Amino acid sequence: GQQVMQIPQYQHVQEGEDFTTYCNSSTTLSNIQWYKQRPGGHPVFLIQLVKSGEVKKQKRLTFQFGEAKKNSSLHITATQTTDVGTYFCADPSNTGKLIFGQGTTLQVKP
Amino acid sequence: EAGVAQSPRYKIIEKRQSVAFWCNPISGHATLYWYQQILGQGPKLLIQFQNNGVVDDSQLPKDRFSAERLKGVDSTLKIQPAKLEDSAVYLCASSLWGPGEGYTFGSGTRLTVV
Repeated sequence: GQQVMQIPQYQHVQEGEDFTTYCNSSTTLSNIQWYKQRPGGHPVFLIQLVKSGEVKKQKRLTFQFGEAKKNSSLHITATQTTDVGTYFCADPSNTGKLIFGQGTTLQVKP
Repeated sequence: EAGVAQSPRYKIIEKRQSVAFWCNPISGHATLYWYQQILGQGPKLLIQFQNNGVVDDSQLPKDRFSAERLKGVDSTLKIQPAKLEDSAVYLCASSLWGPGEGYTFGSGTRLTVV
């Protein structure tokens, strides 16, 4: 069925290092959303990408949507301890339901 | 604006007991969702409401789970009888008109079935 795959599952970095998580779909996506979930918290909407090849930035976070609209990435520059959490990509499918990837859990060592 | 309210925050029950969760979405949000998040996994949609009608309940285990959204505002999710594998966080989310503009999630109810 419809699903999005995320890699890696876990990532441990030293504070100040960069971090990237990748999201891949077997089908063409109409758009893609990214969420962040802090430990013990709930998912919080970060951004939605709609256009092929789109790049959006939020401070140290850079989001990209692939040219074929089958993949996306989230890159964090110079990680901080506040970046700790699980990052999910999600496909707002044509049927109206949001399908989440498995998530990438980021640990940042101070 | 006020967020999505959920209660209770935590619940521990024995298997075969019943449990109910409550959700109050953001005012004016027509679409309401219930998600199940098992530890270490992404949220999985259980049911989607548009106003007080069900849009998608294809992944709701209907032999034991039920949900309703009376008057198109508050919603309740019930499990009866609970199984050990139902231990998870149950998240309620709402959006203004659909998934396109992003969901707002509540804090969730952490259910432990022993």
